[in-house]
Amino acid sequence: QSVLTQPASVSGSPGQPITISCTGTSSDAGTYNLVSWFQHHPGKAPKLMIYEGSKRPSGVSNRFSGSKSGNTASLTISGLQAEDEADYYCCSYERNSTFWYVLFGGGTKLTVL
Amino acid sequence: EVQLVESGGGLVQPGGSLRLSCAASGFTFSAYWMHWVRQAPGKGLVWVSRVNGDGSSINYADSVKGRFTISRDNGKNTLYLQMNSLRAEDTAVYYCTRFYGWYESFDTWGQGTLVTVSS
Repeated sequence: QSVLTQPASVSGSPGQPITISCTGTSSDAGTYNLVSWFQHHPGKAPKLMIYEGSKRPSGVSNRFSGSKSGNTASLTISGLQAEDEADYYCCSYERNSTFWYVLFGGGTKLTVL
Repeated sequence: EVQLVESGGGLVQPGGSLRLSCAASGFTFSAYWMHWVRQAPGKGLVWVSRVNGDGSSINYADSVKGRFTISRDNGKNTLYLQMNSLRAEDTAVYYCTRFYGWYESFDTWGQGTLVTVSS
């Protein structure tokens, strides 16, 4: 089974950009087109921020953007704001013998200094 | 408003059982795959199980296969997770979430319900 690896923590000052990476071990490059990113404030429901690698759902700030290169997907937040402080998870899929298995990265804690 | 509300969590002894519910509103419940995802204390999100719109296709993570059963009642707009033979490592906040095909991702999540397995 593949693993999605994220840095445990990142930090940045208000107004600065930060990038969170998500590196997969799957040999199926096609799954990386389906990478999603979720923002999770403790005690609240996770929120979808990016889907299909780079697309934003309606209502999500355009300060959030996604990209991918090879087996690494990235979430970039430009112009950091205090409310961006949260945990961020990438998510993708891997085909096992019978179905598409859902994978989450280990999560990255974003601290706004 | 699209909404998911979980309930049924609590404290249970190892080996015990618990049934979680997830009440859906604001959308045509039967049209969507529904999933359970959990988060152990201090850990990340982990996928648990999923069921298709009519309940005919079901999958589980290896860690819960044979112990957990996912089901749904489309007449009541409710998703369930029956958890048997519970272990300490099942302690987590359990979230139900809707899979939105247009996004190929999970667009709506509940607030979660805490399950604690301890003697």
